[in-house]
Amino acid sequence: EVQLVESGGGLMQPGESLRLSCAASGFNVRVNYMNWVRQAPGRGLEWVSLIYRDDIPDYADSVKGRFTISRDDSMNMVYLQMNSLRGDDSAVYYCVRQSHGMDVWGQGTAVTVSS
Amino acid sequence: DIQMTQSPPSLSPSVGDRVTITCRASQGIGDSLAWYQQKAGKAPKLLIYGSSTLQSGVPSRFRGSGFGTHFTLTISSLQPEDAATYYCQKYDSVPLSFGPGTKVAIQ
Repeated sequence: EVQLVESGGGLMQPGESLRLSCAASGFNVRVNYMNWVRQAPGRGLEWVSLIYRDDIPDYADSVKGRFTISRDDSMNMVYLQMNSLRGDDSAVYYCVRQSHGMDVWGQGTAVTVSS
Repeated sequence: DIQMTQSPPSLSPSVGDRVTITCRASQGIGDSLAWYQQKAGKAPKLLIYGSSTLQSGVPSRFRGSGFGTHFTLTISSLQPEDAATYYCQKYDSVPLSFGPGTKVAIQ
């Protein structure tokens, strides 16, 4: 079964760091574009980051310089390292496979940034 | 960056109604447009990609069309289980922007 399972969310203080993990099963992350998409409470969907097949990353302007996406092909995992967290980073973070459109979504992991 | 807009923001049709949601891109994106359905508390689900290609397993009452800057999602005969928020998304190039969403509440 094709599946994505995120973990690592939690309650953080502004300025802290957090790493989200995404475990893939049923397919290889290295042959797909893998994304992180977030959704703040009561808000719409916001694309955060993408890692291409050749391991090149890309980021939304709102997280550029603070977040880093990476991939471990041997573990079939994708990660999102989030530094200098801010209140507006509070959201459910989804790990998403992009094939034709974003066709496989995880269940999401919640990040709350509050003092 | 290309901006995505949707209209209407919300609607309250009845079961059996034909529903049309419009998505516009501020610049041309070819047919690199996807539609997603999100039910409350759940992850989004891909309905349509390539502007008009139905994702496997999606009911045929969903239809997408458009090219360039103007796109539509049509539900031919609304069913109770179609109550959800619908998002369009461009994927021609980064940023992979989503529209603000259209909430469909069954009357």
